[in-house]
Amino acid sequence: GAVVSQHPSWVICKSGTSVKIECRSLDFQATTMFWYRQFPKQSLMLMATSNEGSKATYEQGVEKDKFLINHASLTLSTLTVTSAHPEDSSFYICSAPLGQSNYGYTFGSGTRLTVV
Amino acid sequence: GNSVTQMEGPVTLSEEAFLTINCTYTATGYPSLFWYVQYPGEGLQLLLKATKADDKGSNKGFEATYRKETTSFHLEKGSVQVSDSAVYFCALSDTRDDKIIFGKGTRLHILP
Repeated sequence: GAVVSQHPSWVICKSGTSVKIECRSLDFQATTMFWYRQFPKQSLMLMATSNEGSKATYEQGVEKDKFLINHASLTLSTLTVTSAHPEDSSFYICSAPLGQSNYGYTFGSGTRLTVV
Repeated sequence: GNSVTQMEGPVTLSEEAFLTINCTYTATGYPSLFWYVQYPGEGLQLLLKATKADDKGSNKGFEATYRKETTSFHLEKGSVQVSDSAVYFCALSDTRDDKIIFGKGTRLHILP
């Protein structure tokens, strides 16, 4: 079935540095990728929607200059957390729709980011 | 706008007990409805789905019926196992924009 490979699975970085998270669709073309953030014991919060070849659409309250999203090809979308701070520590998950949205979605395995 | 409300956890049950996790939704169109499960230390997995009213989704002994009249999609299982311990998310998607909206999740603990 359709698989999204997300890397890294966990990362620890120093405050002020940048971290890039990659999501690759392995056996299908993902024209759209959704990026979510999950705080401990809370639900997933949609951060932004990336579409191949165009600018990402950010949800209200999400800083586009801090969370840079690039979707340069049909198989790769990246999220870069710039100038990371401890409050950015979270679990980040990407997701791609399987054709039409009523077919479901496939999710990356998630990235645990810890900023120290 | 669209939204999903599900019962708060944690829910703690003994093995072989009957499980119900309530989920209701509000939507302006005709959404598809999903239940996702997140096992400890893992990512999300689709558990079941229903794409139109009165559809019943089922998988691994879990069932949920798309009830348009009550705007609900309650998750049920007749006899839970310890291995069912996880966080369960109810979700809807609007085919107009492909976005998926999640409930807050319900943590389920099954005691042996």
